[in-house]
Amino acid sequence: GAVVSQHPSRVICKSGTSVKIECRSLDFQATTMFWYRQFPKQSLMLMATSNEGSKATYEQGVEKDKFLINHASLTLSTLTVTSAHPEDSSFYICSALGGSSYNSPLHFGNGTRLTVT
Amino acid sequence: GQQVMQIPQYQHVQEGEDFTTYCNSSTTLSNIQWYKQRPGGHPVFLIQLVKSGEVKKQKRLTFQFGEAKKNSSLHITATQTTDVGTYFCQLYNQGGKLIFGQGTELSVKP
Repeated sequence: GAVVSQHPSRVICKSGTSVKIECRSLDFQATTMFWYRQFPKQSLMLMATSNEGSKATYEQGVEKDKFLINHASLTLSTLTVTSAHPEDSSFYICSALGGSSYNSPLHFGNGTRLTVT
Repeated sequence: GQQVMQIPQYQHVQEGEDFTTYCNSSTTLSNIQWYKQRPGGHPVFLIQLVKSGEVKKQKRLTFQFGEAKKNSSLHITATQTTDVGTYFCQLYNQGGKLIFGQGTELSVKP
């Protein structure tokens, strides 16, 4: 089946530093990838939709200058949390569409647990 | 805008009991997907439903799509401890925006 690799799985950083999270589709091409944030015991909150070769579409309330998304190839999207603060600590997950249409299932990365101290 | 309600939020069952989670939309859907997220893990795709009144089975799991394509359910027969996790429905609204249900957290007491 389709595999999405997300790295790193855990990261601890100091306040003010930036953290980059990678999301790779290993055995398929992903034109569209999604980035989510998930708080404990809560649902996935869509942050942005990442399309290969174009600017990401951010959801309302998500700061695009703080959460930089780059989708430079059909197999890689990155999320950079810039100038991280403790309130940015969370579980971040990416997913990729398994096909070319929105009827395709989503394949998720393993998630990245970010802790900002 | 489109509303999606997934209930219940939590369900605690004794091993061997059945479990059902429901997902209800305010508008007609083209399709709906179900995912399972184990504690500490990531969501894993379970099934996609497309047709009105569709029923699909995966071993002890039964998925249904309502006749009006506005609601869906996931039923687990005779739960096991391996069923523990949070079950999410996922759909697209009429604008094509991806939406997840609030999730139903299932705990199973052995």
